[in-house]
Amino acid sequence: DIQMTQSPSSLSASVGDRVTITCRASQSVSNSVNWYQQKPGKAPKLLIYAASTLQSGVPSRFSGSGSGADFTLTISSLHPEDFATYYCQQSFNTSITFGQGTRLEI
Amino acid sequence: EVQLVESGGGLVKPGGSLRVSCAASGFALETYSMNWVRQAPGKGLEWVSSISRGSSYMYYADSVKGRFTISRDNAKNSLFLQMNSLRAEDTAIYYCAREGRGAGVYYFDYWGQGILVTVSS
Repeated sequence: DIQMTQSPSSLSASVGDRVTITCRASQSVSNSVNWYQQKPGKAPKLLIYAASTLQSGVPSRFSGSGSGADFTLTISSLHPEDFATYYCQQSFNTSITFGQGTRLEI
Repeated sequence: EVQLVESGGGLVKPGGSLRVSCAASGFALETYSMNWVRQAPGKGLEWVSSISRGSSYMYYADSVKGRFTISRDNAKNSLFLQMNSLRAEDTAIYYCAREGRGAGVYYFDYWGQGILVTVSS
């Protein structure tokens, strides 16, 4: 299986900060990386697909980049509602895998 | 409005069986592949299984292969996960998720609210 390694595992930031979360795949996955946000007690929500395409309805402060094995999720200016856990996911092959998650805390 | 609603969770003893269901509405189920994803308490997301639109292809995580079976009934707008030989490590919230496709990539664009399955004696 393709391993997805996120860093950092947790991150403390303030409202208005710019934050970047990285995700590294154990092999090239082309652009087949998606990013999800999950708040406590809620289902995950799709933010970015195909490494850099913003899902409909997601604020433009979220952006994604990367290809091959290295990917990033950037939040340009943190809003209070952005404090959550973020997961990357690869869908390059039929055995889908997620990163371990990055908990973004105030 | 797209909705996915899971049901059928609960407490089951190790070695037991359980079937969870997902009722889909607001879209044509037969035009989408579907997936199950689980999350153990306090842990991250783990993909469990996927099924193609017409049930021709089914895929499983190694951790559940041979024990879990995914199925669907498009006429009844439903997705199922039959779980046999359950273990304590199968304890998790189980989510059904719709598989969208765009830019040459597939992703999970809609999720249910999740259903808790607890395996304990």
